[in-house]
Amino acid sequence: GENVEQHPSTLSVQEGDSAVIKCTYSDSASNYFPWYKQELGKRPQLIIDIRSNVGEKKDQRIAVTLNKTAKHFSLHITETQPEDSAVYFCAASESFKTIFGAGTRLFVKA
Amino acid sequence: DGGITQSPKYLFRKEGQNVTLSCEQNLNHDAMYWYRQDPGQGLRLIYYSQIVNDFQKGDIAEGYSVSREKKESFPLTVTSAQKNPTAFYLCASSSSGRNQPQHFGDGTRLSIL
Repeated sequence: GENVEQHPSTLSVQEGDSAVIKCTYSDSASNYFPWYKQELGKRPQLIIDIRSNVGEKKDQRIAVTLNKTAKHFSLHITETQPEDSAVYFCAASESFKTIFGAGTRLFVKA
Repeated sequence: DGGITQSPKYLFRKEGQNVTLSCEQNLNHDAMYWYRQDPGQGLRLIYYSQIVNDFQKGDIAEGYSVSREKKESFPLTVTSAQKNPTAFYLCASSSSGRNQPQHFGDGTRLSIL
């Protein structure tokens, strides 16, 4: 079946450093790629998304890049802060069906 | 955002029992979804509904059932046929149209007694 692979599963960085999370997808029909952040015990929340007609999108300290040919996309967080510590999920969507990656647990050490 | 309400927060099921998880939204969204989240895994789609009175199976629909009689409500029943129901269940909704961001509820944690 269709799947999304996400790496790494755990990432630990020093406050102020950058963090990069990478995902690959298998369904070439996917054309929408959201990223969600889930803090401990809370609901997932959308932090940024990108559509297939765009190669890169940035929102303050967060950026996402998409390579449709290679079928991979990445999340970049710059100047990390302790409040960035959470689990991050990538996802690939075609119409109403969304496939999520397994998640990356990000630790930002103060 | 408080637009999606899931209840109860915690639920316990006895062997052989069906239980129903509630999901209500006041965002006027057409589409609603149910996901299962297990430790160390991503969200897996159980069922989704694009409009009232219509729903489709996701990747892991076996042992689950849903209904969509009202736009605001999308209850999930975990039947006795679901042999491993212990998990965290998340409901979500999105506005009409394809490929829209999803808004999630706070989830229901289901455990077996």
